Amino acid sequence: GAGVSQSPSNKVTEKGKDVELRCDPISGHTALYWYRQSLGQGLEFLIYFQGNSAPDKSGLPSDRFSAERTGGSVSTLTIQRTQQEDSAVYLCASSLGNQPQHFGDGTRLSIL
Amino acid sequence: RKEVEQDPGPFNVPEGATVAFNCTYSNSASQSFFWYRQDCRKEPKLLMSVYSSGNEDGRFTAQLNRASQYISLLIRDSKLSDSATYLCVVNNRNTGNQFYFGTGTSLTVIP
Repeated sequence: GAGVSQSPSNKVTEKGKDVELRCDPISGHTALYWYRQSLGQGLEFLIYFQGNSAPDKSGLPSDRFSAERTGGSVSTLTIQRTQQEDSAVYLCASSLGNQPQHFGDGTRLSIL
Repeated sequence: RKEVEQDPGPFNVPEGATVAFNCTYSNSASQSFFWYRQDCRKEPKLLMSVYSSGNEDGRFTAQLNRASQYISLLIRDSKLSDSATYLCVVNNRNTGNQFYFGTGTSLTVIP
């Protein structure tokens, strides 16, 4: 079946612009996670949605970052006033309960 | 203290060798454990879940030691294609079903 889908695959933008990244989880998965990964580094947790519960935003690095999950399915991660240090691969994962997470291919974000 | 700790390596081993990675976790209430594999510039992919009694999948064996709070991954008869970063992942429903990732152990299998 279809896996986790992320778009765009690549995004290049100028410093100061806003960007929106999209994640379409596996159908039926109640949990959705956003991570980012800089080159050669480990995964950095950003935010987690579980069903209708309030999201766990504890990993968001600044108030320029926000995320929504509409209708318990698709999620968008928004970065406002992008900075060069925001350049990274942004990974989305979904899971059902405590079953393993499945990751999308990621969005490679480059801030010029 | 980090939730999950791994030796980052790198581990450089010849083809055919046996190599083992360990990972420790800090929360004794953790309930689910996994090993993921991540290739360069790719997303992490599930390699195997880790069960309390230990489990094997072909050349890969995973073990869990709850008393000492560590999990291990053993790779036998290493292949060139095993070269990747191996991520240890721990899940704890008590913290809202959060998954905690280690920073990964880098493996290179040399011809």
